[in-house]
Amino acid sequence: ETGVTQSPTHLIKTRGQQVTLRCSSQSGHNTVSWYQQALGQGPQFIFQYYREEENGRGNFPPRFSGLQFPNYSSELNVNALELDDSALYLCAIRGGPNTEAFFGQGTRLTVV
Amino acid sequence: LAKTTQPISMDSYEGQEVNITCSHNNIATNDYITWYQQFPSQGPRFIIQGYKTKVTNEVASLFIPADRKSSTLSLPRVSLSDTAVYYCLVGDTNSGNTPLVFGKGTRLSVIA
Repeated sequence: ETGVTQSPTHLIKTRGQQVTLRCSSQSGHNTVSWYQQALGQGPQFIFQYYREEENGRGNFPPRFSGLQFPNYSSELNVNALELDDSALYLCAIRGGPNTEAFFGQGTRLTVV
Repeated sequence: LAKTTQPISMDSYEGQEVNITCSHNNIATNDYITWYQQFPSQGPRFIIQGYKTKVTNEVASLFIPADRKSSTLSLPRVSLSDTAVYYCLVGDTNSGNTPLVFGKGTRLSVIA
């Protein structure tokens, strides 16, 4: 089974701080994507990594950045946190073309 | 990327069949139709994917007419545990680079 683990599950940060969210899977998958989901909305695409390179980005400012590591784990970094960054952050992995995406349970970030 | 339109919410009694229709008038030739289910504070979960006609798996059926401008997700005999948000996505999943684009989804409430 493909298990996607995100950490931490919950996080509270102060406006202006920086945060790093992590994503890992039990099996290697080439593509990892990150999404932001505000309350009552669908997930919004932030960016995507394929073989450690960013190969797609949504409408998010540069203070949202990421990394994918050789073991396929990934990080989402957000600098200069704003109140509107409060959301559920989801990572998803995909093995290749025409394959389903597997999502983690998300990290609930609250910016105060 | 083709935009999708779904009802915001639906209610159903336990044991009934539920049909959720999604409109995607601008679907492209290479686009597939994919449905995801999401429970509160969890990541979306793949339900079913199709290109044309009918697809059935152990949890749902997907009906796609010849013009592919709409699709219908059919959930047989729903139970309380089917209460969730259902997202219809359209995209070229043959390309592993294509990100998933979520709308607001349909909030299904199953009543005892």
